[in-house]
Amino acid sequence: QQQVKQSPQSLIVQKGGISIINCAYENTAFDYFPWYQQFPGKGPALLIAIRPDVSEKKEGRFTISFNKSAKQFSLHIMDSQPGDSATYFCAANRGSTLGRLYFGRGTQLTVWP
Amino acid sequence: DAGITQSPRHKVTETGTPVTLRCHQTENHRYMYWYRQDPGHGLRLIHYSYGVKDTDKGEVSDGYSVSRSKTEDFLLTLESATSSQTSVYFCAISGQSGTEAFFGQGTRLTVV
Repeated sequence: QQQVKQSPQSLIVQKGGISIINCAYENTAFDYFPWYQQFPGKGPALLIAIRPDVSEKKEGRFTISFNKSAKQFSLHIMDSQPGDSATYFCAANRGSTLGRLYFGRGTQLTVWP
Repeated sequence: DAGITQSPRHKVTETGTPVTLRCHQTENHRYMYWYRQDPGHGLRLIHYSYGVKDTDKGEVSDGYSVSRSKTEDFLLTLESATSSQTSVYFCAISGQSGTEAFFGQGTRLTVV
C-alpha cells in the first residue's frame, strides 16, 4: 500500500515555466515532508523539506506548499531550467529518525530549452 | 555524497547465489538504511539500523538480512538471490534527531 501518492509520473515544461508536482498522504502521524532530486546514476539528494506547522516554504526557485487539512503537499519550481531536468520524489516521515522515509513513486521532469 | 561509499557499484550474479552489499560511512552517524529503487515504485525501505547490532525491518525486508558490527559499516545480504531482487540499492545515513538523510551513489544489482 503506497503511503505517499505522487503525480504526475512525468512532466514536460518549457524553459522559464513553472513545474508543479503534487503529493498526497493518509497517515496523519507524518510530520516531516521532504522533496528529493535525483539525477541519472546518482543517489537522491534533499532539495527542500517542510514540517506541518507551516503552509509554505521557499528556497530560491523551489517552493513547497502544504495543506494539512487536505493531506496534500506540492513542489513548485519557478523559472524552470534545463538543469532542473531530473526525477523528483516526495516523501514523508514520522518521528525523529529522518531517514526512515516513505517515498512517492517519482516524477520525471524534463525542461525544454 | 556525505561520506558514504557503497560497494560494489555494479554486480551481476546468478539466481540462488548469496550476495552481500556494503555501505561504509565516515560521518559517524547513528542511523543507516538500505533502500531499493525500482521503476514505478520509488524507493522502498528494506532494513535500517539505529546503532551497532541494532537493526529493524522496513517495508520490503523479505529475502534480505543485514548486519552492523561497527558504526561505519552496514551490510545487506541476499541469502539466495532471485530475479525479483534485480534493482538499484541505495544506502542512506542520518544523524541525531533533526538531521536529514544522505544517500549514497547506489549499487546496481542484476540477478540472472
